[in-house]
Amino acid sequence: NAGVTQTPKFQVLKTGQSMTLQCAQDMNHNSMYWYRQDPGMGLRLIYYSASEGTTDKGEVPNGYNVSRLNKREFSLRLESAAPSQTSVYFCASIQPGVGEQYFGPGTRLTVT
Amino acid sequence: AQSVAQPEDQVNVAEGNPLTVKCTYSVSGNPYLFWYVQYPNRGLQFLLKYITGDNLVKGSYGFEAEFNKSQTSFHLKKPSALVSDSALYFCAVRDMGGTGRRALTFGSGTRLQVQP
Repeated sequence: NAGVTQTPKFQVLKTGQSMTLQCAQDMNHNSMYWYRQDPGMGLRLIYYSASEGTTDKGEVPNGYNVSRLNKREFSLRLESAAPSQTSVYFCASIQPGVGEQYFGPGTRLTVT
Repeated sequence: AQSVAQPEDQVNVAEGNPLTVKCTYSVSGNPYLFWYVQYPNRGLQFLLKYITGDNLVKGSYGFEAEFNKSQTSFHLKKPSALVSDSALYFCAVRDMGGTGRRALTFGSGTRLQVQP
């Protein structure tokens, strides 16, 4: 049981380049999330997917798109990276009911 | 809108002493509260949660948290700190709005440094 996995672990992009961050969970969870972590700001929600086939915006969606490929996988795409998107990105999933969220190890992204 | 405040950027404590990491929250309705820990270059690990019931919640690694509804607080505590407890701690409240969202709103984090 790997839990929540993310690829890549590290990435450096130039301004204007695009990339996709991958996330997968093997816990059969319905809901999945993308957060970004910036110093002194905690984690902020970018997008979420309450169930397979649905996605919705969080607090900071601008500059991002997501795809819920199937129940296991939820990807985050940066179409045209900007230095303001330099951050650590975490994927999470949640079990039904009032359970806690499970987080992946994170992707550290630097945009120059 | 709901919010979480962690008033201390850093807490320093000597090994063996008790520790407290503070958290206050603002929600409409009953809160679902969580504490997570993050070690360097790692993801967030769940420590404990308050949903309902006993105001003193026990969690992983000897941590506990006290829910106080009148003070809207959910402070994290441990009776005897270890050097290995040094990490970044986040308090969070579950989003209760909207169908299926169930996202977390996080505080800004508190860095705990335990000195030997």
